[in-house]
Amino acid sequence: LAKTTQPISMDSYEGQEVNITCSHNNIATNDYITWYQQFPSQGPRFIIQGYKTKVTNEVASLFIPADRKSSTLSLPRVSLSDTAVYYCLVGVKLIFGTGTRLQVFP
Amino acid sequence: EAQVTQNPRYLITVTGKKLTVTCSQNMNHEYMSWYRQDPGLGLRQIYYSMNVEVTDKGDVPEGYKVSRKEKRNFPLILESPSPNQTSLYFCASSSYSENTEAFFGQGTRLTVV
Repeated sequence: LAKTTQPISMDSYEGQEVNITCSHNNIATNDYITWYQQFPSQGPRFIIQGYKTKVTNEVASLFIPADRKSSTLSLPRVSLSDTAVYYCLVGVKLIFGTGTRLQVFP
Repeated sequence: EAQVTQNPRYLITVTGKKLTVTCSQNMNHEYMSWYRQDPGLGLRQIYYSMNVEVTDKGDVPEGYKVSRKEKRNFPLILESPSPNQTSLYFCASSSYSENTEAFFGQGTRLTVV
């Protein structure tokens, strides 16, 4: 199983762009990369998923280099409501790492 | 509406009294999984199921049982709960064959006294 490594925590200010990088050196050929957001006492919710290159949706972008050993979640112009824990998952077995605790300040 | 439903949402019980937390999904997903989350920690996988009648241990299976008799349901059973099983539990489902997003239940907060 591909293990993921992320920074434990990050701080930002409202209106800034936040980039969270995840390392997954042992990713398998068929594995997709998926990011989830979790608020306290709530179940994680899907943010974005990708296989290679760049994916963008209405809330985030996901950048995946050619070797796919890492990925970067980009949150444009964060707000206070983006304060949460962000998890990077690889593959289908939904194995969670420690996640990145993002704190957004006014 | 696509959803994963857990019941109950809150439960206080006593040590040794068997309990079951139910999980049901309406998306015909093959894959289902149970997690526990303790303060300051991430989600630790208890058991998962790749399909009906196929279950396997996750990282923290001790003290728990599961069954997958139907595709939509994946109950978590605590035969003899202990205080160290006090935690927040989440159920999830996904379609691994389609590589789509996973859906999570609202959580069950269990307290064992």
